[in-house]
This record gives sequence, C-alpha cells and structure tokens, in this order.
Amino acid sequence: DAGVTQSPTHLIKTRGQQVTLRCSPKSGHDTVSWYQQALGQGPQFIFQYYEEEERQRGNFPDRFSGHQFPNYSSELNVNALLLGDSALYLCASSQRQRGYTFGSGTRLTVV
Amino acid sequence: GDSVTQMEGPVTLSEEAFLTINCTYTATGYPSLFWYVQYPGEGLQLLLKATKADDKGSNKGFEATYRKETTSFHLEKGSVQVSDSAVYFCALSEEAGTALIFGKGTTLSVSS
Repeated sequence: DAGVTQSPTHLIKTRGQQVTLRCSPKSGHDTVSWYQQALGQGPQFIFQYYEEEERQRGNFPDRFSGHQFPNYSSELNVNALLLGDSALYLCASSQRQRGYTFGSGTRLTVV
Repeated sequence: GDSVTQMEGPVTLSEEAFLTINCTYTATGYPSLFWYVQYPGEGLQLLLKATKADDKGSNKGFEATYRKETTSFHLEKGSVQVSDSAVYFCALSEEAGTALIFGKGTTLSVSS
C-alpha cells in the first residue's frame, strides 16, 4: 500500500518564477494538508483541502494557492517566488478526523 | 495564538542513556498533543499522541504524559539506541483533523 507520494523530490527555481508541487494521498485518504518546513524549523501549516475545497488556511500570502482533484490528489502553487520560499514542502493526507500520514517532501530551492 | 515550545538541541547521548525532551504548549482550548519523528531525508512519522489530560502516549519505548496543569508533554525514553538518532517535533491540534502546530524540533544524536 503506497503512502503519500510527492513530486518532484527536488527542484530549483529562479526568483519571480512560479512552481507547482504535487501530492498523491495515501489510499483511502480524502483530506490533504500542506506544510512548509524551513531549514532548522518545524513545519508550518499552509492549507488543507477536503472535497476539493480549501477548508483551513494558515498565515501564508495569496501567492500560495492550491487545488484538490476528484481523485483526492492535490497541487500546491507558489507564484512570484522569493528566496525565502526555499524550504521543504510536506504533504500530509488523512481520512476524515483520523491521523495524518506525511510524504517525504519536495525540496524547493529558489536562487 | 496557539504555540509549542521545545527545548533547544542538539541533544547528544550515549547508547542506553535516559532521554528527556521538554515540550510546553499554549492553547486556548483543550488540544490533542503529538510527538513526531523525522529521520534524515524522510517525512514526519507519528511517534505517539495523547488526546486529553493525564493520558499517556507510548510507542517503541518512548512515552509522554499530557499534563494540563503544567501545559507540558515531555518525551522520555529509558534507554536510547543509535537508531533513535533523528529530529523530534512536539505538536498540537485544537480539533481532530485540523492544522498541526509544531515546535521547532530537537535533534537527538546517540553514539555507541
């Protein structure tokens, strides 16, 4: 049984560019949450999607947007990249109010 | 707003030593509390959790007790192994299925 799958594993972007990160949830899970983990810090909640709607959002600017598809997979989009957006982006899936399963993350470097 | 504070690391121990990682929290309600572990190059794995006061979470020899009176959830293990070397995160969630709020993490390094 595959867990949470994130792609790509690593990528490098230039300031001002746009990036899309992808997440496939664990089988049977219908909720996807995204977190940003800066180097040496704990993960910070970006937003959560359920039934293709954004259900909860953390303190991130509108440059961060997302989408959930009918098959429960999700995308995280970041526009107008800043150097400070360099981080590990983690996707976590869950089924209703049960525990989260985290993916291994996408390492984004903005240069 | 809600927050989690963990002891600063790194924590360096010899194999079979006793481990304590302190965690305190601030919350408006009655949150659930968690410890997650992150091994190098991997995502987060749930280590243990507690959902109400005086609950004790335990897993793989690790334990933590939800102390409402001291707003704490300290992680302990009686005898650490080299394989326990990782980063440990304390976290809370106000309601089941909602956002997790994490501490900054504590790096544990165990040598043989």
